[in-house]
Amino acid sequence: EVQLVESGGDLVQSGGSLRLSCAASGLTFSARGMIWVRQAPGKGLEWVSYISPSGRTIYYEDSVKGRFTISRDNSKKSLFLQMNSLRAEDTAKYYCATVDGSSVNIMWFDSWGQGTLVTVSS
Amino acid sequence: QSVLTQPPSASGTPGQRVTISCSGSTSNIGGNPVSWYQQLPGTAPTLLIYSNSQRPSGVPDRISGSKSGTSASLAISGLQSEDEADYYCAAWDDSLKGVLFGGGTKLTVL
Repeated sequence: EVQLVESGGDLVQSGGSLRLSCAASGLTFSARGMIWVRQAPGKGLEWVSYISPSGRTIYYEDSVKGRFTISRDNSKKSLFLQMNSLRAEDTAKYYCATVDGSSVNIMWFDSWGQGTLVTVSS
Repeated sequence: QSVLTQPPSASGTPGQRVTISCSGSTSNIGGNPVSWYQQLPGTAPTLLIYSNSQRPSGVPDRISGSKSGTSASLAISGLQSEDEADYYCAAWDDSLKGVLFGGGTKLTVL
């Protein structure tokens, strides 16, 4: 059974930084693309970033480009999201999820963690 | 920023069939497959449908998906109280080079 456990969420001041982690088990992590998705309180899902199995292909949602960095350590089965210059509008629960599908435009997200809460105070 | 448009709410009585629509454009739904996710209150999303109409193992066959042109639909027949949840569509957008989620539809079982 696939398990994804996020950590690193916290209360931080506007302009601050946080590093989120996602520990994976029960899967061949190095063979799976991964994404981060966030959900502001009472709002819908918003995709944040994608990283390919090797880490060589990365995409970001426009509002986080230049501020967030996605990375992975396949030897430790871990996914990361370095979040800098945080803003109040980044306040959300952040989920990591595994990617399935044959290419970047043919993908779906088949396993999700329980999320970690990031609160940015202004 | 949802470029995939879903109705904010839907409802039905037990046993009924309900459909939820997801409207996009040629750069997303029109050219790429759609997936659907269910989010029960207070929990993480789970995959319901992938590649427009495929069900992962464990998803009952009373749940189905379809796509036509730049729109997709999720249908739930034999509605049950445990289907009360938020439902989201998603697709890759070739222009934005990113994943789009619909704004979500809250399904109420009356």
